[in-house]
Amino acid sequence: DIVMTQSPDSLAVSLGERATINCKSSQSVLSSSNNRNYLAWYQHKPGQPPNLLISWATTRESGVPDRFSGSGSGTDFTLTISSLQAEDVAVYYCQHYYSSPLTFGGGTKVEIK
Amino acid sequence: EVQLVESGGGLVQPGGSLRLSCAASGFTFSNYYMTWVRQAPGKGLEWVANIRQDGSDKHYLDSVKGRFTVSRDNAKSSLYLQMNNLRAEDTAVYFCAGGSGWLVERWGQGTLVTVSS
Repeated sequence: DIVMTQSPDSLAVSLGERATINCKSSQSVLSSSNNRNYLAWYQHKPGQPPNLLISWATTRESGVPDRFSGSGSGTDFTLTISSLQAEDVAVYYCQHYYSSPLTFGGGTKVEIK
Repeated sequence: EVQLVESGGGLVQPGGSLRLSCAASGFTFSNYYMTWVRQAPGKGLEWVANIRQDGSDKHYLDSVKGRFTVSRDNAKSSLYLQMNNLRAEDTAVYFCAGGSGWLVERWGQGTLVTVSS
């Protein structure tokens, strides 16, 4: 099974400042057949279902603000919120969809400092 | 508007069974790979199972293999999760979700399953 490790567990950032979340997979999620990374990022707010932010490690979903960006390849990935807004307070998860089981990282709680 | 609405959750004793349902609308259900994801109280997200568009391929989390069965009825735009021999550690909010492939793009609101005596 591929283990997804996120860091940090929690993060407090001032409004307007940058938030950076890291995700490491225990084996590569880069497909040699299509050169795509099978890595997604989700935002999860209390009482709501998770929301897909980023797919294929770097592709922002329609309607997601451009302050959210994904980077990385192979086993190391990053979600960056370039200018934190109050509505970004949530838990963020990475997940691979490369093979079964499709595992999530442990989550990173983002709060306002 | 894409909608996924789960039902069937509730309180069940250890060793008991429950069947979760998920009603889909606003999209062509038969085109979507469907997934169940759960979140135990105070814990993170955990992928449980998924099923191919035509139901021919299914995958399960090791800890639920042999106890849970995922199925779908494309004519009814519905997804199901039959859960047998339930354990306390199965207590969670269960989300129905789907996407064009294994990527989960859309989520339901979730239904709570509590396993307790």
